[in-house]
Amino acid sequence: DTEVTQTPKHLVMGMTNKKSLKCEQHMGHRAMYWYKQKAKKPPELMFVYSYEKLSINESVPSRFSPECPNSSLLNLHLHALQPEDSALYLCASSQDAALASDTQYFGPGTRLTVL
Amino acid sequence: AQRVTQPEKLLSVFKGAPVELKCNYSYSGSPELFWYVQYSRQRLQLLLRHISRESIKGFTADLNKGETSFHLKKPFAQEEDSAMYYCALWAEGGGSEKLVFGKGTKLTVNP
Repeated sequence: DTEVTQTPKHLVMGMTNKKSLKCEQHMGHRAMYWYKQKAKKPPELMFVYSYEKLSINESVPSRFSPECPNSSLLNLHLHALQPEDSALYLCASSQDAALASDTQYFGPGTRLTVL
Repeated sequence: AQRVTQPEKLLSVFKGAPVELKCNYSYSGSPELFWYVQYSRQRLQLLLRHISRESIKGFTADLNKGETSFHLKKPFAQEEDSAMYYCALWAEGGGSEKLVFGKGTKLTVNP
């Protein structure tokens, strides 16, 4: 299995809702990433997990809460989001977080709309 | 500070014409550079990286440290090359390493 999968594909939520995005890979990768991509903009890194530990938090607001239950799964818990948080949320994985030579494999993304 | 600049938001060429997507970078360390591509309704994927010195789908890119550039080239564009192309730099700073993406160039190859 050489794919990163993400669920759901689309999510619409109100500002008071709590929801979670899920990401899964079975390539044995030890690094997993969350990116945010606004329309017509490049992906922006949010979080990096390396060996199931949070290694990078790019000053993301606390209404986004990542979780890595095991080496294959990555969640992003959402609570009290704002309309400006509407975006495509991409998950990626790579063999190792610290090696530039490791290819990052991206999932298809979850399109999030906050009303 | 690390930065990737893709000066062209949009680039349009005819099938069979040469194409060059420009990428310039700013980085104080030794750069590791990549080109990622996103075809319509498909996921973002790696096209090529400078350390591999490979040609993928007819595309090549040469790192020019003097000009701090990593332009993507193809001698004869095909319609299926139409996509969004992102140049990316692997950067270390502030205790972290990460990919920094340029703003992207949308390539359209016309029949």
